Formats: sequence, structure tokens, C-alpha cells
Amino acid sequence: EVQLVESGGGLVQPGGSLRLSCAASGFSFFSDNYMHWVRQAPGKGLVWVSRMRSDGSTISYADSVKGRFTISRDNAKNTLYLQMNSLGAEDTAVYYCAKETYWSLEYWGQGTLVTVSS
Amino acid sequence: DIQMTQSPSSLSASVGDRVTITCRASQGISNHLVWYQQKPGKVPKLLIYDASTLQSGVPSRFSGSGSGTDFTLTISSLQPEDVATYYCQNYNSVPLTFGPGTKVDIK
Repeated sequence: EVQLVESGGGLVQPGGSLRLSCAASGFSFFSDNYMHWVRQAPGKGLVWVSRMRSDGSTISYADSVKGRFTISRDNAKNTLYLQMNSLGAEDTAVYYCAKETYWSLEYWGQGTLVTVSS
Repeated sequence: DIQMTQSPSSLSASVGDRVTITCRASQGISNHLVWYQQKPGKVPKLLIYDASTLQSGVPSRFSGSGSGTDFTLTISSLQPEDVATYYCQNYNSVPLTFGPGTKVDIK
């Protein structure tokens, strides 16, 4: 059974940094696949944030986070990361990691809440 | 970037009604369109990929159609458990933009 468990969310001051983690299990994390981050501000819709291929050959970001967020993965630890810098109030959201399966996001974690506030 | 729009933004229908949600892409995305269902307080769930392929385990009352720029999600007979927000997503090119969502509830 595929499981994705996010962690690392919390309260951070504007301009601060946070690193999110997504622990994966139930599938071959190092095999050819894409992992994604998607976020959802309170009461708002889904926003795609970033994706990374298993071998690190393909990395993409939404314009709203480009230059501030960095996606990475440790295949030995079966873990996906999202390093978030220069955080602003607009980054307040639940952050989900998701596993791509054939041109869609089939598996989602439960999400971790990031709150940017002074 | 490809922009995704959905209509209506919300709807209220009776149990058993046929419900149709429309999604439009700002440029052609072939059939690379995905539909998700998000129930209140829950994680999004994959319903349909490739515009019309039903994900395993999804009830057959859900169906999708379309290609290019115009797509539809249809619920043939609305059930109480279908109360949710439905999102389409461009899966043709990054950024993999979502539509703004359509909230469905029971009249």
C-alpha cells in the first residue's frame, strides 16, 4: 500500500524558512517516477507547486515559488523534500506531496500545514 | 502558462439528478486532463485521467469527456456521498495548473 506522510509544517515568521519532508513507502521510490508538491490555502483551491523526477533529471516549479522553493529527494531514505525560503503570508497553506501515476496524481499524503505569520 | 477555468463555480442539485461540470483550457492540451474530487476536510482523490479514463474503484456514474480545450465531468445520478469540490487539472505541460474548482452539494 502506497503511503505518503508529510512533516515539517508549522508557524514561521515572514521572511523565514522551512523544510518539508514527505516519507514514502509501499512502492519503489527510486524507480522511474515523478513526485510532486501541491498546496491549498485555507478555504481555497489546489495549486500545483513543484515536481521532480526520480533521477533528478527533471525539476519544475510554479512561477509563484520559483527562486524561493527547492524540491529535492533522497532515494536512499525514500523521502521527498521542499525547502521553502523567503516565506510570505501568501505561502500559508496545507502542503501535500503526491505521487504521479500515468499522467495524474494518484496518491496523496494527508498534508502538513504551513502558517506564515508574525 | 495554461489557464484552466471551470463552470459553474458551484451548483446545488437533487439526489438522482444528472450533473455536468465544464472545464476549459486556455490552449489545447490534447486529452491530458485530470479530474479530482475533494470532500470537505479530506485529501483530493483521483477520479478520471486522460480526460475520460475512470480511475479504478471510482463509481461508474462518473464520466469524463473532451479533448483539446473543452472538457466535461458528468455525474449521471447524483448521490449524497458526491458532495465535494471537483477540480480539473492540466497535465499536458508545466505548470500543471488546476482549475478553481466546482462545489457540488445536495438541494
